[in-house]
Amino acid sequence: KAGVTQTPRYLIKTRGQQVTLSCSPISGHRSVSWYQQTPGQGLQFLFEYFSETQRNKGNFPGRFSGRQFSNSRSEMNVSTLELGDSALYLCASSWTGAFSGNTIYFGEGSWLTVV
Amino acid sequence: SQELEQSPQSLIVQEGKNLTINCTSSKTLYGLYWYKQKYGEGLIFLMMLQKGGEEKSHEKITAKLDEKKQQSSLHITASQPSHAGIYLCGASPHEMYSGGGADGLTFGKGTHLIIQP
Repeated sequence: KAGVTQTPRYLIKTRGQQVTLSCSPISGHRSVSWYQQTPGQGLQFLFEYFSETQRNKGNFPGRFSGRQFSNSRSEMNVSTLELGDSALYLCASSWTGAFSGNTIYFGEGSWLTVV
Repeated sequence: SQELEQSPQSLIVQEGKNLTINCTSSKTLYGLYWYKQKYGEGLIFLMMLQKGGEEKSHEKITAKLDEKKQQSSLHITASQPSHAGIYLCGASPHEMYSGGGADGLTFGKGTHLIIQP
């Protein structure tokens, strides 16, 4: 079956702009989580959506937001981009979330460069 | 909050040799995930271990969970160039679904594995 699909794979934005990233989870999976990966901080949890509802949020400013559609596809948005937002953004898909016994699959990621 | 420490941070191994990567948690481990990542790419799921001293193997990779030590180890036998990459362990903060929200996985900093021919 198809894996987790993220688009776009690469993008360059200017400071102050906003960006929207998309994630299509594995068919049947209802939980979608987003992570930010940087060399300095490693992988950090942004937020998680389940059945169109945000259930949990990591320690990121309000400029980072997301949503999930009825088909479980998810988007994340970053407004007023800063240089420090440059990172690999990863989407993770699972049946019900980050619980013991629940396999979690990741997409290829979206590389965001802010200049 | 839970913290995961991976050791070693980097590892250079001659092709054909065995190696072990460790992941130690500051809190009780409920679910422990191992992933492999090539630089700039997504995470490839390797194995998931649940509470209870579980051990799993896939091809030449074996992972074990020692709940008493709050530690997991990943062992690669007869390493090959295809094993090169970054190995990440991730821990689930919850044992079971209770109807509440789900925090994301907490990850270690990763172990960079280089295989020398």
